[in-house]
Amino acid sequence: QTVVTQEPSLTVSPGGTVTLTCASSTGAVTSGYYPNWFQQKFGQAPRALIYSTSNKYSWTPARFSGSLLGGKAALTLSGVQPEDEAEYYCLLYYDDAWVFGGGTKLTVL
Amino acid sequence: QVQLQESGPGLVKPSQTLSLTCTVSGGSLSSDGNYWSWIRQPAGKGLEWIGRIYNSGSTNYNPSLKSRVTISVDTSKNQVSLRLSSVTAADTAVYYCASDRGDWGPGTLVTVSS
Repeated sequence: QTVVTQEPSLTVSPGGTVTLTCASSTGAVTSGYYPNWFQQKFGQAPRALIYSTSNKYSWTPARFSGSLLGGKAALTLSGVQPEDEAEYYCLLYYDDAWVFGGGTKLTVL
Repeated sequence: QVQLQESGPGLVKPSQTLSLTCTVSGGSLSSDGNYWSWIRQPAGKGLEWIGRIYNSGSTNYNPSLKSRVTISVDTSKNQVSLRLSSVTAADTAVYYCASDRGDWGPGTLVTVSS
């Protein structure tokens, strides 16, 4: 059973920078896992932010960026805004199946 | 950006089959995505990938659900369907459809209860 692990919660100050990570129980996350990132605000459907490690959608704010960091997939928010408070999920690809991480609750305080 | 809308019964009895449809509007299922996925989320919990179907009809499923899941596509109706058999209370969740281009539907709540 493959497990994808994210920080359960993080807190950041408005205007600050925060990095969320996504680890795989199988080892280092590489570009071959095609990391995706999603944002979900309370009571709403998830919104796609990043695909294939670092690619943004047309609607993804510039302050969001994706990368690989220390064997994990990473989502960095630079210049955090109050509206960035949300749950963030990563998604990794394994042999024709995808697995979500457990999510990171980001608090902007 | 296309719009996706999930639809289907909000209440399903235990042991029965859950059937949902995702209708794509504002575009074409065959040209506005390469594959279409179903994802679910129990109340207060995280996201779970159920499976996906390519426009060609090829499918991939979550191994933990594979024996009970069927995803199909009807390009003439611009619809993707999900069937989940032998449901239990553990299948109660909001079910989402999504494209590989980042589009998601608003989700539909399915409750399994007698």
